[in-house]
Amino acid sequence: EAGVTQSPTHLIKTRGQQATLRCSPISGHTSVYWYQQALGLGLQFLLWYDEGEERNRGNFPPRFSGRQFPNYSSELNVNALELEDSALYLCASRLGGTFTDTQYFGPGTRLTVL
Amino acid sequence: AQKITQTQPGMFVQEKEAVTLDCTYDTSDQSYGLFWYKQPSSGEMIFLIYQGSYDEQNATEGRYSLNFQKARKSANLVISASQLGDSAMYFCAMRERTYSGGGADGLTFGKGTHLIIQP
Repeated sequence: EAGVTQSPTHLIKTRGQQATLRCSPISGHTSVYWYQQALGLGLQFLLWYDEGEERNRGNFPPRFSGRQFPNYSSELNVNALELEDSALYLCASRLGGTFTDTQYFGPGTRLTVL
Repeated sequence: AQKITQTQPGMFVQEKEAVTLDCTYDTSDQSYGLFWYKQPSSGEMIFLIYQGSYDEQNATEGRYSLNFQKARKSANLVISASQLGDSAMYFCAMRERTYSGGGADGLTFGKGTHLIIQP
């Protein structure tokens, strides 16, 4: 069974540009989560999608947005990039059947803003 | 107050020794789940082990076991016979049944412990 996949692996952008990151969950998983991990810091929750809807978002400005498609894959968009957006962006998926279901993570996308 | 506390920012351990990584949690829920993840330098978060609050037995997965002390609200990860490949960041996380904010759907992570296994 394939795990969570993310693309691209690395992304280099300049300030002010837009970045689009993609995530495909494990087959059968309906919930997708996005996290930001800046250098040396822990995981900061960004967004949670379930059944195509945004269920919750973390303490990030509106220029961080995303969506979940009918096949449960997801896209994270970051507009008007700033230098401090440079980070590892991790996507995770969860089955969603019970609240104790495990989140499984993808390999991440390393975003560098120059 | 932090929901997950990992008091060891970094640890150095000799290869083949057992390692205990500390994790304490704070919740008023009776029903919750505890998770441990490993993050090597490559960045991917790897799920290691899960413990439910009502599980009577400590969880075990290969060389990983969870020392669950409910009354003390601790969920320490024990790695037996450490290997060089165990060098990584380790994160403890908790999901509560009652979502009181602070995480995606109640799942919150500790700040992590950087474990280095020395030959």
